[in-house]
Amino acid sequence: DTGVSQNPRHKITKRGQNVTFRCDPISEHNRLYWYRQTLGQGPEFLTYFQNEAQLEKSRLLSDRFSAERPKGSFSTLEIQRTEQGDSAMYLCASSLARGLSNYGYTFGSGTRLTVV
Amino acid sequence: GENVEQHPSTLSVQEGDSAVIKCTYSDSASNYFPWYKQELGKRPQLIIDIRSNVGEKKDQRIAVTLNKTAKHFSLHITETQPEDSAVYFCAATPGMIKAAGNKLTFGGGTRVLVKP
Repeated sequence: DTGVSQNPRHKITKRGQNVTFRCDPISEHNRLYWYRQTLGQGPEFLTYFQNEAQLEKSRLLSDRFSAERPKGSFSTLEIQRTEQGDSAMYLCASSLARGLSNYGYTFGSGTRLTVV
Repeated sequence: GENVEQHPSTLSVQEGDSAVIKCTYSDSASNYFPWYKQELGKRPQLIIDIRSNVGEKKDQRIAVTLNKTAKHFSLHITETQPEDSAVYFCAATPGMIKAAGNKLTFGGGTRVLVKP
């Protein structure tokens, strides 16, 4: 297991189209997070899962965004009816939450979305 | 929620000099403070972190200090080298497992340029 894997690395889509990204976390990690990063800014939290349960969603996550983690392993992030403002790097991270601690918070390389 | 401010936004130093980046946070519940280095087009990578029960931590040329009373923490890089050139992000989170889910709140980033 070489880390958090995200696919695709790049996606160019026309405005109004739907896109889906995939994240494969480190296998033993039970938490999975999605972040969005625009140029020159720090990553912004979108949502996170503990196993298959989606436990928190940011107000940044409009109703056009949906995320799933059906079997508690990989996760998908779908954006419907894309807008130019959705252009960003979408980062996934995973960690192992155990007891009162959270270990090994590791990011993937991200999916860069360009909406034209 | 948590708000993290980071300064400066850009920092240019001569090779061999020191670089200092400062962050402030707003949520007194935050007790875990990681620092990430992000090179162009790559994933954020954890370089050092500190927990609230420690005031200072050092790893070779990198050190982090934390002042919980003032709610600020700083990254210190000594003997800078050209390969230290990157964007650095500070982050904060409540370290205990609770509804916040340990999501990281990031600062806006500091672009560090080390001139040979």
